[in-house]
Amino acid sequence: GAGVSQTPSNKVTEKGKYVELRCDPISGHTALYWYRQSLGQGPEFLIYFQGTGAADDSGLPNDRFFAVRPEGSVSTLKIQRTERGDSAVYLCASSLEDGNTIYFGEGSWLTVV
Amino acid sequence: AQRVTQPEKLLSVFKGAPVELKCNYSYSGSPELFWYVQYSRQRLQLLLRHISRESIKGFTADLNKGETSFHLKKPFAQEEDSAMYYCALTGGGNKLTFGTGTQLKVEL
Repeated sequence: GAGVSQTPSNKVTEKGKYVELRCDPISGHTALYWYRQSLGQGPEFLIYFQGTGAADDSGLPNDRFFAVRPEGSVSTLKIQRTERGDSAVYLCASSLEDGNTIYFGEGSWLTVV
Repeated sequence: AQRVTQPEKLLSVFKGAPVELKCNYSYSGSPELFWYVQYSRQRLQLLLRHISRESIKGFTADLNKGETSFHLKKPFAQEEDSAMYYCALTGGGNKLTFGTGTQLKVEL
């Protein structure tokens, strides 16, 4: 497939557990983004990468959230000690370096019970 | 700080009627404005951006800096336009700030 791929599509976890969400961007896209969308809200920026480095991580809500992109392709969003308020759709997107057109994945639905 | 406001959660129109989805923004510099759309069971996708000054699927949007608005318009609504629409801005970087979205429902 040529689009942004995210796994898992759905994840239910218990409060306090650790979660990893994976994003596989479009081949050749150097920029990768993570957004979070809560019910009834628009997507909220978390972090974006240019290559392997985080160009802007100002949207990460606290130090329980961390993201990596070690080889400049696949990225993993990691959430420690999950809380019920972390329940949301986590969207990944990618683009060429200029960010002119950003392509979104279908999202990972995270439910913390 | 940058902010996008979409005052209507739901807009319901009849097929063939004109559509206007409102978007107002707050940004101290020169923003780039976008409209994104999400059809049922599909991923979020770009509809149009103000710098392109294009018409996509019959939709247009004009940036009004005086009113800080970027309303989305279409003269004649079609059933397939039913979707969730998000207005978004960026301050020249790659980080998008989205509004809360407007659900457009086109009724027959």
